[in-house]
Amino acid sequence: DAGVIQSPRHEVTEMGQEVTLRCKPISGHNSLFWYRQTMMRGLELLIYFNNNVPIDDSGMPEDRFSAKMPNASFSTLKIQPSEPRDSAVYFCASSLGQGTDTQYFGPGTRLTVL
Amino acid sequence: KQEVTQIPAALSVPEGENLVLNCSFTDSAIYNLQWFRQDPGKGLTSLLLIQSSQREQTSGRLNASLDKSSGRSTLYIAASQPGDSATYLCAVRDSNYQLIWGAGTKLIIKP
Repeated sequence: DAGVIQSPRHEVTEMGQEVTLRCKPISGHNSLFWYRQTMMRGLELLIYFNNNVPIDDSGMPEDRFSAKMPNASFSTLKIQPSEPRDSAVYFCASSLGQGTDTQYFGPGTRLTVL
Repeated sequence: KQEVTQIPAALSVPEGENLVLNCSFTDSAIYNLQWFRQDPGKGLTSLLLIQSSQREQTSGRLNASLDKSSGRSTLYIAASQPGDSATYLCAVRDSNYQLIWGAGTKLIIKP
């Protein structure tokens, strides 16, 4: 298996633009997680899905952020409009179940909002 | 509210030494605890997972212990190598099945 795949790996955009980050989980995994990592706040869980259904989005910072999982093999995290404070590394992870299973992380997308 | 603390934030040791990384958590009601490794510019790789009923897990030169009652876990690395240089994060899965993350310990192994 190729592992969790994220695209793009790097994204530089200007404030106010829409940003879409993409993730393909490991085949057969039922849970998908979106994280954000910054030096100041460390690793933060934004949202997670189980069987394509959003279970907990309490970590989504504000309405500018939205996430979808239209099928078991694809998810998007969208920021509209983007702001400089959104600059961070965004990770996607997947696991076999939502309970106590190990999460497998993608390589991340480094987002810079100018 | 569960809080996870890792001390020290950074550690530098000569190659070949054995070392211990520490992780503490405030609420003992956990399902499991995981140790991850993160290399610069890359994602996280799971190293060891200890279930709440277990005391330790071993993988190669790595050994992780868990003491729920005292809210502590340690990651022991034997015979350290330069390739072990990375940031090590611990995360506990709380009673709501959420992973609560520590800030990590940046480890540098000097050749």
